Amino acid sequence: EAGVVQSPRYKIIEKKQPVAFWCNPISGHNTLYWYRQNLGQGPELLIRYENEEAVDDSQLPKDRFSAERLKGVDSTLKIQPAELGDSAVYLCASSLITGANVLTFGAGSRLTVL
Amino acid sequence: AQSVTQPDIHITVSEGASLELRCNYSYGATPYLFWYVQSPGQGLQLLLKYFSGDTLVQGIKGFEAEFKRSQSSFNLRKPSVHWSDAAEYFCAVGATDSWGKLQFGAGTQVVVTP
Repeated sequence: EAGVVQSPRYKIIEKKQPVAFWCNPISGHNTLYWYRQNLGQGPELLIRYENEEAVDDSQLPKDRFSAERLKGVDSTLKIQPAELGDSAVYLCASSLITGANVLTFGAGSRLTVL
Repeated sequence: AQSVTQPDIHITVSEGASLELRCNYSYGATPYLFWYVQSPGQGLQLLLKYFSGDTLVQGIKGFEAEFKRSQSSFNLRKPSVHWSDAAEYFCAVGATDSWGKLQFGAGTQVVVTP
């Protein structure tokens, strides 16, 4: 089966520019996650969706970050405007709601803000 | 709040030698425990998981891990490393009451020498 697909893989932008990342989860996985991984650190959860509903967005910086998951499948994570500190790898993951926290991760989108 | 500590930032091991990566966690109850591996430019791949039962768990690629409740540890081992095992390894904790919100350690970078 196809894994979690993310695009773009790499993005370089100047600060204050907007950027968007797209994620297509594994077919049938109704739970989708966005994690951020800073250099030299482990990933940190930004937001979790169950179907279309964001059930945990407590770690999402809402002043500049937004996310959506239309129709409960694909998801988009947006940053506007980007800041230097947003440089990181943005990882998307998905799971079955009965999968007891077994997440499958995509390859990630590496953002560099200049 | 749960936390994960990986004491070793970097480990160098000779090909064919044994490997042990340490992981300590802090959590009020028995958590879900995971080890993920991340190769350069790749997403995280699940090596193994512990939910309950037998405290010695087997994973993919010849890895195993042992849950020790008294020491709050979940160390990863491999009897004989291969050059392809060079990667970054992350221990993660999942709370039974916080679905999908994995707390990751900072990772251990493993270098394999000939």
